[in-house]
Amino acid sequence: KNEVEQSPQNLTAQEGEFITINCSYSVGISALHWLQQHPGGGIVSLFMLSSGKKKHGRLIATINIQEKHSSLHITASHPRDSAVYICAGSGAGSYQLTFGKGTKLSVIP
Amino acid sequence: NAGVMQNPRHLVRRRGQEARLRCSPMKGHSHVYWYRQLPEEGLKFMVYLQKENIIDESGMPKERFSAEFPKEGPSILRIQQVVRGDSAAYFCASSPRTGGKETQYFGPGTRLLVL
Repeated sequence: KNEVEQSPQNLTAQEGEFITINCSYSVGISALHWLQQHPGGGIVSLFMLSSGKKKHGRLIATINIQEKHSSLHITASHPRDSAVYICAGSGAGSYQLTFGKGTKLSVIP
Repeated sequence: NAGVMQNPRHLVRRRGQEARLRCSPMKGHSHVYWYRQLPEEGLKFMVYLQKENIIDESGMPKERFSAEFPKEGPSILRIQQVVRGDSAAYFCASSPRTGGKETQYFGPGTRLLVL
């Protein structure tokens, strides 16, 4: 059974801080997705990665396949980054996503 | 290029009524996935469909729930005889192809409240 664990569950940061959210996953997961859920509830796909590192603006996602661990980093955080960040795993050739419980991020001005 | 569209965005039903949730995938996407997010819980897979076919409904309750994706028109998630425990946010997502390394694009969700 695929499992995904996220930490921390809640995170409060001052504007400008560097933020890291962690995700560990079980054997059987070969791709890791990072999603952002805004306070209004909409979900946006940020990254999908199966190796290495991806960057988009102030967001960076990394994955370590040997350690079965992925991180999402936000540089120069801003209040508009406040959201729930969700990691989800999918198995080889499988469309089914197994979701973590999410990390609620609050960035204070 | 419109994204995934869901309607209604909010739906209120009384116990015993039917709820119909609609999802129009992104243009060019023929794979649709439905997910449910119960209050204070994570997202859970419900069903995966391609045009005119249910590929995997292993996450969908066996009773009262059904889904379809007809040749023409949106995908429909139907909940018959709703109960309070059905109150949740229902999201659909679409992708152009299937597989674990495809990005799924999510709709804004339908928030169902059962009174």
